[in-house]
Amino acid sequence: NAGVTQTPKFQVLKTGQSMTLQCAQDMNHNSMYWYRQDPGMGLRLIYYSASEGTTDKGEVPNGYNVSRLNKREFSLRLESAAPSQTSVYFCASFPPTGRIEKLFFGSGTQLSVL
Amino acid sequence: GESVGLHLPTLSVQEGDNSIINCAYSNSASDYFIWYKQESGKGPQFIIDIRSNMDKRQGQRVTVLLNKTVKHLSLQIAATQPGDSAVYFCAERESGTASKLTFGTGTRLQVTL
Repeated sequence: NAGVTQTPKFQVLKTGQSMTLQCAQDMNHNSMYWYRQDPGMGLRLIYYSASEGTTDKGEVPNGYNVSRLNKREFSLRLESAAPSQTSVYFCASFPPTGRIEKLFFGSGTQLSVL
Repeated sequence: GESVGLHLPTLSVQEGDNSIINCAYSNSASDYFIWYKQESGKGPQFIIDIRSNMDKRQGQRVTVLLNKTVKHLSLQIAATQPGDSAVYFCAERESGTASKLTFGTGTRLQVTL
């Protein structure tokens, strides 16, 4: 099925551990995004990639790194997880400029850092 | 920084009634607005969008109204159904920022029978 696929769906980490959240889209979109969603708050942009080979910081980039591996894949890495990074993470992709502008979201990764 | 916010965190509506979800924005440079619906355990889904050169846009059972004078956005859902129960987010995009959206905190819509 076409769309945005995130893995894993759930993850529990200990403080200081590292992990990578994976995201892939099969809609040939140029732009991809990583958001985090905390209770009582809107989605906040961590990093985004406007096109293959480029990445830029969003609103809350500290503690994260990203890699735009190719046009399909955009990964988010936590090098040393902290409890403040407990959140639900959403990957999204965006159609090329000139088309209907909608973000397509994945189903999310629920991350708990103990 | 500027932000997008919502007036009501929770809205309860009887099945069959119309729902109105409100959103205030403060960035006068925003030129594009979107409403998203998020059901429990899922990612947000696009509902409807509107550009700043419009006042109203209608979709299937949904209407978005934009009042630029008071920086207010609303989502109207006609004949609300149990399947409409979800959290609704508004989002804005600042002109010239390409594809970066700022999201509001969300309103939970509860549909009662």
